[in-house]
Amino acid sequence: QKEVEQDPGPLSVPEGAIVSLNCTYSNSAFQYFMWYRQYSRKGPELLMYTYSSGNKEDGRFTAQVDKSSKYISLFIRDSQPSDSATYLCAMRESGGGADGLTFGKGTHLIIQP
Amino acid sequence: GAGVSQTPSNKVTEKGKYVELRCDPISGHTALYWYRQSLGQGPEFLIYFQGTGAADDSGLPNDRFFAVRPEGSVSTLKIQRTERGDSAVYLCASSFSRGETQYFGPGTRLLVL
Repeated sequence: QKEVEQDPGPLSVPEGAIVSLNCTYSNSAFQYFMWYRQYSRKGPELLMYTYSSGNKEDGRFTAQVDKSSKYISLFIRDSQPSDSATYLCAMRESGGGADGLTFGKGTHLIIQP
Repeated sequence: GAGVSQTPSNKVTEKGKYVELRCDPISGHTALYWYRQSLGQGPEFLIYFQGTGAADDSGLPNDRFFAVRPEGSVSTLKIQRTERGDSAVYLCASSFSRGETQYFGPGTRLLVL
């Protein structure tokens, strides 16, 4: 079992729908949680950054972290065709832990006009 | 300001050859990371530099892979005796300091024939 599990999709939804993306993880040392968006043939771009458990909202995006369940989510409201991309969850340990990010496989999201 | 840049964008080589991949981090960023992203997978951590030194090289797959950052800015990832399994996108990221947000470059697509 990989440290971070993420359904690769593809996930196809109509424009305007609410999108829910999620990841589960097994390493309880993870304290920092990120969502990156990656367009085809581009590098990952940071969308959301959360420390420990809780919610964070930024425009149409909301990130949730539930450390007790080892489960994180990203919600996209009023989805647009330009949101079509691969969404990667990423995690990192705190303090003196590993410095590299541990990523999920990424979920390929398609927003149909 | 300018983001992380990587050269070349694409590299095609033959099995057994030596390749060098270059990363120019964001100016002023002291931390630099290399990741490898295989098709359909999330990025996998290779190595982390703090300044000129490799602080964590636990992700390098074997001794054919080596990276340097002699002046604490530009970094070069070196792969000796390339194998077909080395074909992937090699991503570089930088952050202001250890533990801060990582910003990714566009990657170098390496194809080993």
